[in-house]
Amino acid sequence: GAVVSQHPSWVICKSGTSVKIECRSLDFQATTMFWYRQFPKQSLMLMATSNEGSKATYEQGVEKDKFLINHASLTLSTLTVTSAHPEDSSFYICSARVSPNTEAFFGQGTRLTVV
Amino acid sequence: AQTVTQSQPEMSVQEAETVTLSCTYDTSESDYYLFWYKQPPSRQMILVIRQEAYKQQNATENRFSVNFQKAAKSFSLKISDSQLGDAAMYFCAYKSQPGGGADGLTFGKGTHLIIQP
Repeated sequence: GAVVSQHPSWVICKSGTSVKIECRSLDFQATTMFWYRQFPKQSLMLMATSNEGSKATYEQGVEKDKFLINHASLTLSTLTVTSAHPEDSSFYICSARVSPNTEAFFGQGTRLTVV
Repeated sequence: AQTVTQSQPEMSVQEAETVTLSCTYDTSESDYYLFWYKQPPSRQMILVIRQEAYKQQNATENRFSVNFQKAAKSFSLKISDSQLGDAAMYFCAYKSQPGGGADGLTFGKGTHLIIQP
């Protein structure tokens, strides 16, 4: 299958700072990328959907000013957690696809710890 | 909104045996996709099998097969000849047809599958 790469794999940041997570489709052009959040031993929850060149669509309950998503190119989407707090500590996973009728491939995830 | 329910938090099976993981879902849509994903300790999500709701034939992928009951809104995963490498979290997921509801995946809470050697 196609490869989606997230960077970094893990990050520790201080409370109040911002952290950026990158999601790259390495061998295909992703018109749509998705960001999910997974708490320990829990399911994945969709946070937002981003289409290249458009503003992201956020799920209900997700603060768009806190979780800034940019999808400026067909191979890169970024999630910036602004003014991070310990409750933002979680596992963040992206997925990317070519078109609505094609499979979405997942990145390996990023573990964020806010101290 | 669609919901996906996995009622088995944990399942255990002897190596080489067969195990079935349950999944039910709720939707008002007539066309949609259903998936089973595997998440090993590495946390990488791996697609196991996919089913289009309009297809009556159950999907199969080698040792993995599904029992899709559309009227009952049930989508179980059968793993035959279980192997140690099958140990992982398994998530059932729902996706609307393009142009339908939400574009992303709706996941169940997952089933932790343990393989006993």
